[in-house]
Amino acid sequence: AQSVSQHNHHVILSEAASLELGCNYSYGGTVNLFWYVQYPGQHLQLLLKYFSGDPLVKGIKGFEAEFIKSKFSFNLRKPSVQWSDTAEYFCAVLTGNNRLAFGKGNQVVVIP
Amino acid sequence: EPEVTQTPSHQVTQMGQEVILRCVPISNHLYFYWYRQILGQKVEFLVSFYNNEISEKSEIFDDQFSVERPDGSNFTLKIRSTKLEDSAMYFCASTSASPLHFGNGTRLTVT
Repeated sequence: AQSVSQHNHHVILSEAASLELGCNYSYGGTVNLFWYVQYPGQHLQLLLKYFSGDPLVKGIKGFEAEFIKSKFSFNLRKPSVQWSDTAEYFCAVLTGNNRLAFGKGNQVVVIP
Repeated sequence: EPEVTQTPSHQVTQMGQEVILRCVPISNHLYFYWYRQILGQKVEFLVSFYNNEISEKSEIFDDQFSVERPDGSNFTLKIRSTKLEDSAMYFCASTSASPLHFGNGTRLTVT
């Protein structure tokens, strides 16, 4: 079964620092990959997705992710974070029947 | 932008009681889902629903759980006899194709 691993569950960093969140998936076939964000008290929102084509995907709010097939990875990056990026970030892979398998999430706290 | 809406935002119930969690998916979507997130754990798939029937369910979705689309707009999750371990955030989602659109969630607390 497809699964997703996210490491470093808690990340604390200062504003303007760079952020990279790791995501590794286990699936040998064609993958559709997603990053969702959940701001405090809010619902899950889509940050970006990869289906095919350019492996470097640009999302909202300055986020990007790179699909590296040989490493089974889809890491999320932002060059310079803001306090408003404090949230929980979830990587997910699409399985059969349009079902998402989520990672455990990364709790990111940005200190002003 | 249309949203998936869920009510209530927080439900407290006693163990053994029945609860119904309500969701209004985005109107032109055809696929509906329930996920849950126990505090500190992953978001877990519960069930998917298409064409008025369950298309897939996880091992979590046992006989205590049921889903219904009673009137063409609402999509409900019923837990027949709640257990302490059912305490979680329950998310409804819908889509016409990828990606999923999620509601704000219902926090269920079983005491």
